[in-house]
Amino acid sequence: RKEVEQDPGPFNVPEGATVAFNCTYSNSASQSFFWYRQDCRKEPKLLMSVYSSGNEDGRFTAQLNRASQYISLLIRDSKLSDSATYLCVVKGTNAGKSTFGDGTTLTVKP
Amino acid sequence: NAGVTQTPKFRVLKTGQSMTLLCAQDMNHEYMYWYRQDPGMGLRLIHYSVGEGTTAKGEVPDGYNVSRLKKQNFLLGLESAAPSQTSVYFCAAGTGYEQYFGPGTRLTVT
Repeated sequence: RKEVEQDPGPFNVPEGATVAFNCTYSNSASQSFFWYRQDCRKEPKLLMSVYSSGNEDGRFTAQLNRASQYISLLIRDSKLSDSATYLCVVKGTNAGKSTFGDGTTLTVKP
Repeated sequence: NAGVTQTPKFRVLKTGQSMTLLCAQDMNHEYMYWYRQDPGMGLRLIHYSVGEGTTAKGEVPDGYNVSRLKKQNFLLGLESAAPSQTSVYFCAAGTGYEQYFGPGTRLTVT
């Protein structure tokens, strides 16, 4: 079983739709959680950190469920520019090291 | 500020040749990382560093060596390139939590 698992998709949604991605992790001692965005042939960029209380940044909402060991990312009112691959990242107890999921691909269509 | 830069952007090597990839950061972060990303796959950690003069193995270290002689630079070396090392190489710098990536080096080994 992979340490971090994501549904690879692809998710194809119309503009304006709401879409949600889940990511599960296997190490219950994991400490920190993040979502990154990666555009085609570009470097990953930090989208948002995921806090225990959940957090929101504009149209994006991230949540953490420690009991079930998963994090989620909700995108409301999807835009064409949201089309990208979304990477789930989990940091364990080892200093500095994080594990990346393989990513979920989102395509937003007109 | 440039953030994280990588040199070169593209390179083609013949099997058995050697090369060094350079990563530089101007954010004064302690942690630096080298990843590889193969088509349709996630990022895999090759080596990382928790500070100047330190290095540690990641998930896929075989065939690579690294050095961190200065805090702002992290070098990745391939001593004898193999076709299996054809990939996109990303360097990152960070706090031990968030990571900030360079634009990548596309390496082809023929």
